[in-house]
Amino acid sequence: DGGITQSPKYLFRKEGQNVTLSCEQNLNHDAMYWYRQDPGQGLRLIYYSQIVNDFQKGDIAEGYSVSREKKESFPLTVTSAQKNPTAFYLCASSEGYSTEAFFGQGTRLTVV
Amino acid sequence: AQSVTQLDSQVPVFEEAPVELRCNYSSSVSVYLFWYVQYPNQGLQLLLKYLSGSTLVKGINGFEAEFNKSQTSFHLRKPSVHISDTAEYFCAVTRDTGGFKTIFGAGTRLFVKA
Repeated sequence: DGGITQSPKYLFRKEGQNVTLSCEQNLNHDAMYWYRQDPGQGLRLIYYSQIVNDFQKGDIAEGYSVSREKKESFPLTVTSAQKNPTAFYLCASSEGYSTEAFFGQGTRLTVV
Repeated sequence: AQSVTQLDSQVPVFEEAPVELRCNYSSSVSVYLFWYVQYPNQGLQLLLKYLSGSTLVKGINGFEAEFNKSQTSFHLRKPSVHISDTAEYFCAVTRDTGGFKTIFGAGTRLFVKA
């Protein structure tokens, strides 16, 4: 079945550590996105990529980094510079801007 | 700037009653509109979308929405809800900014009571 796979489902990070969240899609979509979800705030865009080897900052990119070396993969690194990383992270992909986004099941990151 | 406002953060409703979840947007250009549903600890899935054409859009699970350009609204409706409709619902807007982005509303929590 085609879809988006995020891993891990739950992730715990110690203060000062970098962690990487995985996102893989087999939908052959050009565009991929990372969102952060906090209670009562909806989804906020961290980074997005419209094509391999290119990506753009979203509204809350500080403290995060991404890469897009392959069409099917768009990993997100939460760096130690992100002061409040505890949140639910969602990866999505779409064919283009006028089509709907397909979402992964999310990764819940907790700082311990 | 583009924005999306979901007017109710929570909507409690009894089973088999009708429901309307309200969404207003602001944009100076044409937009595409979406409603997504999110069940606990899961990703979002598409309920319905408006790209062009008929302003009344039908989606999955018996939901429908009406695009009203003059009022810049895209309210979601269902004539009779079920317990299984309990979830969070997000309205979203997309336009081509020369680097496209989708803007999501803050979400409306629908709670269906027996």
